[in-house]
Amino acid sequence: DGGITQSPKYLFRKEGQNVTLSCEQNLNHDAMYWYRQDPGQGLRLIYYSQIVNDFQKGDIAEGYSVSREKKESFPLTVTSAQKNPTAFYLCASSSQGAGSYEQYFGPGTRLTVT
Amino acid sequence: ILNVEQSPQSLHVQEGDSTNFTCSFPSSNFYALHWYRWETAKSPEALFVMTLNGDEKKKGRISATLNTKEGYSYLYIKGSQPEDSATYLCAYQKTYTGNQFYFGTGTSLTVIP
Repeated sequence: DGGITQSPKYLFRKEGQNVTLSCEQNLNHDAMYWYRQDPGQGLRLIYYSQIVNDFQKGDIAEGYSVSREKKESFPLTVTSAQKNPTAFYLCASSSQGAGSYEQYFGPGTRLTVT
Repeated sequence: ILNVEQSPQSLHVQEGDSTNFTCSFPSSNFYALHWYRWETAKSPEALFVMTLNGDEKKKGRISATLNTKEGYSYLYIKGSQPEDSATYLCAYQKTYTGNQFYFGTGTSLTVIP
């Protein structure tokens, strides 16, 4: 089955620790995205990547880092510099290029930092 | 940061009722408008992508219209069923920025049997 997997579903960390969220896709999509959802807010873009070894900051990149070493994988690291890391994180992928391509989403990871 | 607004924030309807909600977005630099359905404990799922002013899309009992000149889209559900209960998201896609989407906060629909 083609799709996007995110693991784990729930993640708990102590304040001051970095944590990496996994995102893998087998849809052969070039573009991948990380969003964050907070109560009462729309999905906000953290980082996106349009091709392997390249990525761009979204609207709320501070305190996050990403890598794109393989087409299938786009892990997100939440660093200790992120002031409010507790949130729901969604990964997505899409075809790339000029066009109105829909984004396909994973099931999300809920991160709780105490 | 672009402002994409959805209204109402939440909606409770009786089974069989028809309903509609709104997505407002900037009318300048418009490229596409996407609608997604997000059921609890599942991934958001694409419903429609709309690109042209006056576009109308339909999938079963769900339809959507687009007005790019005034910057709004309506989503209609005819004869709501309990399985329609979900959060409906719209996402605005600007020109020349690739596939970056700007999401509204969503409309949470509950259909009461």
